[in-house]
Amino acid sequence: DAKTTQPTSMDCAEGRAANLPCNHSTISGNEYVYWYRQIHSQGPQYIIHGLKNNETNEMASLIITEDRKSSTLILPHATLRDTAVYYCIVRPLWGGSEKLVFGKGTKLTVNP
Amino acid sequence: EPEVTQTPSHQVTQMGQEVILRCVPISNHLYFYWYRQILGQKVEFLVSFYNNEISEKSEIFDDQFSVERPDGSNFTLKIRSTKLEDSAMYFCASSPRTGLVYEQYFGPGTRLTVT
Repeated sequence: DAKTTQPTSMDCAEGRAANLPCNHSTISGNEYVYWYRQIHSQGPQYIIHGLKNNETNEMASLIITEDRKSSTLILPHATLRDTAVYYCIVRPLWGGSEKLVFGKGTKLTVNP
Repeated sequence: EPEVTQTPSHQVTQMGQEVILRCVPISNHLYFYWYRQILGQKVEFLVSFYNNEISEKSEIFDDQFSVERPDGSNFTLKIRSTKLEDSAMYFCASSPRTGLVYEQYFGPGTRLTVT
């Protein structure tokens, strides 16, 4: 089972920032936080990952709390094409399973 | 930008028939995966493959399933005798796995319909 908890759905206005929260209170020291998204029945798409520092790339920013028990994915200027299901996944840095365990994710709807 | 490709995009087969789903991973990637997603449900891991052998498989991946990398580019998933409950989207993924942190890149999927 997924080790993360996410809201079922969220709405965001086009052009505004979308902030997607994720709780991972049982995360262990060697686990990274990964974010993927799935646009309507397409293959999941990697977005970003982090360990404990905030991360930013061309797609999004990832803010991880100091205790690492939760994180927030930020899409700074959401567009209609960002409408998708967003998955927060924790995964070990070394050892353990290679698989990605997907939960139900958050369905983000970006409205015009 | 390199991407994972999958063929066919849609496969319809009769129950009991064998199907082969094909994937071309990104060329310099070394780790390969199959996942599936039954309509309306979560994405589920099936199997991972490295160095020409299975490195991990799920309970779903029973004796009816097999994977193969027949040449340097293709990665296939075979279902020997399809069942109605095998109807799903099947996603192939690959990973470079350079260093300790590695992301998986997914293909567009093959929709398998078993009638």
